[in-house]
Order: sequence, then structure tokens, then C-alpha cells
Amino acid sequence: DTGVSQDPRHKITKRGQNVTFRCDPISEHNRLYWYRQTLGQGPEFLTYFQNEAQLEKSRLLSDRFSAERPKGSFSTLEIQRTEQGDSAMYLCASSTKQGTDTQYFGPGTRLTVL
Amino acid sequence: AQSVAQPEDQVNVAEGNPLTVKCTYSVSGNPYLFWYVQYPNRGLQFLLKYITGDNLVKGSYGFEAEFNKSQTSFHLKKPSALVSDSALYFCAHTGTASKLTFGTGTRLQVTL
Repeated sequence: DTGVSQDPRHKITKRGQNVTFRCDPISEHNRLYWYRQTLGQGPEFLTYFQNEAQLEKSRLLSDRFSAERPKGSFSTLEIQRTEQGDSAMYLCASSTKQGTDTQYFGPGTRLTVL
Repeated sequence: AQSVAQPEDQVNVAEGNPLTVKCTYSVSGNPYLFWYVQYPNRGLQFLLKYITGDNLVKGSYGFEAEFNKSQTSFHLKKPSALVSDSALYFCAHTGTASKLTFGTGTRLQVTL
């Protein structure tokens, strides 16, 4: 399968724990995006990378959130000291360099914070 | 603020009938508009996009959308609905910042 992959698909954690998600983009795509989707809402932008450079971060990305793309390939999103409000679907997407190019989404990681 | 709006939370249509899912936009500059579909517990699947050119855009699974500049709309359409089209549909736009801004979604329910 050559699409965007995310791991894990589901994560249940207790409040206060740290969690890390991984995204592997389509191999020739140099842009990678993270979005968060809560129940009944559309996805909201969190951050994006072009190659290894993080070019934009949303105000939604509090200081408990950090994202990396160290070699310009896969990316990780870490949430420290999770809160119940962090429960959501975390979606990753990738695209080529052009801003209007289509973003292709992975299946998402569903986080539940107890 | 630049945005897209989906005025209907849910659209119900009988199988075989035409369907329309509405989207309006409020964007300065050139609007770059997209439609995505989401099945339960899945990521988003790209259907089609309008960047420039013909106002009628054809996409995947028999869907099409009409860009209307005077009405600032980008409605999704299909001539004959299938039960398997039942899903959550999102309209979105992107500007020079590249990030997608999504509408609130419209649930399409197709019944026999």
C-alpha cells in the first residue's frame, strides 16, 4: 500500500500520560500535515512540515504538543501530560510541494484520554 | 476570516435520485476548493477539487461539483445516489498557507 499510514490506529491512555503518534507519508511527498478532528466537527489544522522544516503551527498546538519530522520522511506528534480534552482523532496528510496540490489523508489515530 | 460553510447538517435522499450537498465560501483572492468524504472511523478520501478552469469539476465515484463565483458556492452533486454513498462529506479550501480549512460537514444518508 502506497498511501499515508498512521500508527497506532487507536490509543487509550490515562490523564497525565505522554503519547506519541507516527505518520508515514506517501514516499514522494515532501509536505506533511497534522490535523485534529473532534466528534461531529471538521478537521482542524495543527501544523505542517515541508521536508524537515516545520513551517506553521496553529494556536491549537499548545506547549504540550510537539511535532517532528527529523529526516523529512516520517513524522511524530507527541502530546505530553494528556488531558481529557485531547481526546480526538489525529489525522495526518501529505502532499507535493505545490500549495494547491491535493492532500491525501491517512486513516487517523483515535486518542481516548480517561 | 476565510471560511467555507455547509448549511445542512444532514441530507437524505433515496437511492437512484440525484443528490446535492451544499457548500458556500468566503475567501479573499482565488478560492481553491476541495471535497472530501469520510466513512465511519476512517480518514478522509479526496473526491475532487477546483483550482482554476472549467466551473464543472468531475471527481471520483461519479461525483461532480459546480463552482459558481457569483453565488460563492461549490455544491457537490451526483446524478444517481447509491446507498454506499452514505457518509460524512466535507468541503474545504486552501490558500497560500497550504493548510486546509474545513466546513462542519454534511452527513449524507441514502436510503432504499
